[in-house]
Amino acid sequence: KAGVTQTPRYLIKTRGQQVTLSCSPISGHRSVSWYQQTPGQGLQFLFEYFSETQRNKGNFPGRFSGRQFSNSRSEMNVSTLELGDSALYLCASSSYRAEQFFGPGTRLTVL
Amino acid sequence: DQQVKQNSPSLSVQEGRISILNCDYTNSMFDYFLWYKKYPAEGPTFLISISSIKDKNEDGRFTVFLNKSAKHLSLHIVPSQPGDSAVYFCADCLNFGNEKLTFGTGTRLTIIP
Repeated sequence: KAGVTQTPRYLIKTRGQQVTLSCSPISGHRSVSWYQQTPGQGLQFLFEYFSETQRNKGNFPGRFSGRQFSNSRSEMNVSTLELGDSALYLCASSSYRAEQFFGPGTRLTVL
Repeated sequence: DQQVKQNSPSLSVQEGRISILNCDYTNSMFDYFLWYKKYPAEGPTFLISISSIKDKNEDGRFTVFLNKSAKHLSLHIVPSQPGDSAVYFCADCLNFGNEKLTFGTGTRLTIIP
């Protein structure tokens, strides 16, 4: 079974731009979660989607948004990028259990 | 807010010996705890989990212990191998079926050959 895939793997943007990251979950997994990892804050939960609906949300500003498609693929969008948004963005999928399986992440650098 | 704390940022262990990684959590009744291992430039890899109705779960070289009275969780790796060198995160899932994981800050484990 193929694992969680994320595209692109690396991205460089400038302040004020927006970015869209993509995640394809493990086949059959209906829940997709997004996390941000930074050296200072560790792994922080952004949001979770299940059956195209946002089911959980972390404490991030409205510039961070996401969506899920009918095939369970998910995208997250960050608008008006700030320097502090530079991070590794991780997507994880799960079936009916709490064990989440992570993708390799997208490394976003904001200049 | 639920908090998960890993108070040791790093740990060095001789190859073949036991590695013990620790995690503390704040009050909650129906937690489900998970351990993840992370190599640089990769996503975390799920290792082992335990529900709050148990006090021990074992999978090969990995054993997780849960002390509910102390609100303490530990991961034992025995025997430790060089490939175990990585950052280990404990995570808490507040309610079974709720997919939001709260992660600790991680412990970097280095296995010395």
